[in-house]
Amino acid sequence: KAGVTQTPRYLIKTRGQQVTLSCSPISGHRSVSWYQQTPGQGLQFLFEYFSETQRNKGNFPGRFSGRQFSNSRSEMNVSTLELGDSALYLCASSPRLGGTANYGYTFGSGTRLTVV
Amino acid sequence: KQEVTQIPAALSVPEGENLVLNCSFTDSAIYNLQWFRQDPGKGLTSLLLIQSSQREQTSGRLNASLDKSSGRSTLYIAASQPGDSATYLCAVRLGGGSQGNLIFGKGTKLSVKP
Repeated sequence: KAGVTQTPRYLIKTRGQQVTLSCSPISGHRSVSWYQQTPGQGLQFLFEYFSETQRNKGNFPGRFSGRQFSNSRSEMNVSTLELGDSALYLCASSPRLGGTANYGYTFGSGTRLTVV
Repeated sequence: KQEVTQIPAALSVPEGENLVLNCSFTDSAIYNLQWFRQDPGKGLTSLLLIQSSQREQTSGRLNASLDKSSGRSTLYIAASQPGDSATYLCAVRLGGGSQGNLIFGKGTKLSVKP
């Protein structure tokens, strides 16, 4: 059974550009969440999508957006990149919105974004 | 606002030692708590999930406990091995549905010396 797949694994972008990251959840999982991991702030929740709708959102500026397709695959977009956006971006999938009481989330290996 | 703290930030032990990692949270009204392992530059691997109604969960050499009233969880690793070296993260969930996002501690970096 394939796990959560994130592409690309590494990205280098210039300040001011925009970037799109992709996440394919485990087959049958309908919820996809995105997290940002930095050395200073640790892991922080960005948003969660379920049935193509954003259901929950963390405290990030509007430059961070996402979407989910009918096959549950999700993309995250960051516009007008800043140096502080350099981070490991992780996505996680779950069968249900908000996970389940005894299942939780399965994480992908992440996309390492470097903004120069 | 829920905050999750993990102490110590780093821990170094000799191989074979039993050890305990600590996690504390400020709001006892949690839905569940999950322990993860992260190897350098990699994603998260789920180790154990404890529901709010449970007191502990076990998997192999790992045992996690939960005391909601005191806002604490511990991860016990028995007979540590060099392969256990990684960063261990705990995360709490406040609710299900649209409240289901995880709130993470900053982790404990464990080094097991041969």
